Amino acid sequence: NAGVTQTPKFRVLKTGQSMTLLCAQDMNHEYMYWYRQDPGMGLRLIHYSVGEGTTAKGEVPDGYNVSRLKKQNFLLGLESAAPSQTSVYFCASSYRLAGVLMTDTQYFGPGTRLTVL
Amino acid sequence: AQSVAQPEDQVNVAEGNPLTVKCTYSVSGNPYLFWYVQYPNRGLQFLLKYITGDNLVKGSYGFEAEFNKSQTSFHLKKPSALVSDSALYFCAVRGPLTGNTPLVFGKGTRLSVIA
Repeated sequence: NAGVTQTPKFRVLKTGQSMTLLCAQDMNHEYMYWYRQDPGMGLRLIHYSVGEGTTAKGEVPDGYNVSRLKKQNFLLGLESAAPSQTSVYFCASSYRLAGVLMTDTQYFGPGTRLTVL
Repeated sequence: AQSVAQPEDQVNVAEGNPLTVKCTYSVSGNPYLFWYVQYPNRGLQFLLKYITGDNLVKGSYGFEAEFNKSQTSFHLKKPSALVSDSALYFCAVRGPLTGNTPLVFGKGTRLSVIA
């Protein structure tokens, strides 16, 4: 049981390049999330998904796109990277209790450190 | 809208002394409150949560937190700090069970336990 894994762990991009970050979870969780962590800003939600085939915008969605084609995977895309997107990106997942939405524990991946030059 | 504040960027405490990391929140209705910890170069790990019931919640690694509705606070505590407790701590909140509103995290408090 690997939990939440993220690929890659590190990446350096040039301005304007594109890339996709992959998040995978093997806990059969319904919900998945992408966050970015910046010094002094805490954790900010980029996009999230409440189930396969569904996505929603979080606090800072601009410049990012996501897809959840399979329940276990949540992809975060940067179409044209900018230096402002230099950050550490975390994926998380959580399960739904019967009759209760999004109240329970989120499990986090180890993070992807992205630098945009 | 829901929000959470961690008023201290940094907390320093001597090993063996009690520690408190503060968190206050704002939400309509009954809150759901969480504490997470982040060790260097790692993802966040769940410590404890308050959903309902007893105001004193016990969690992992000897941590506990007290929910105070009148003061809208959920401070994290530990009776005796360890050097290994040094990490970044995040408080998070979400409102009642309406829609799919995700958690809102605070900016984090860095705890440094000095031997």
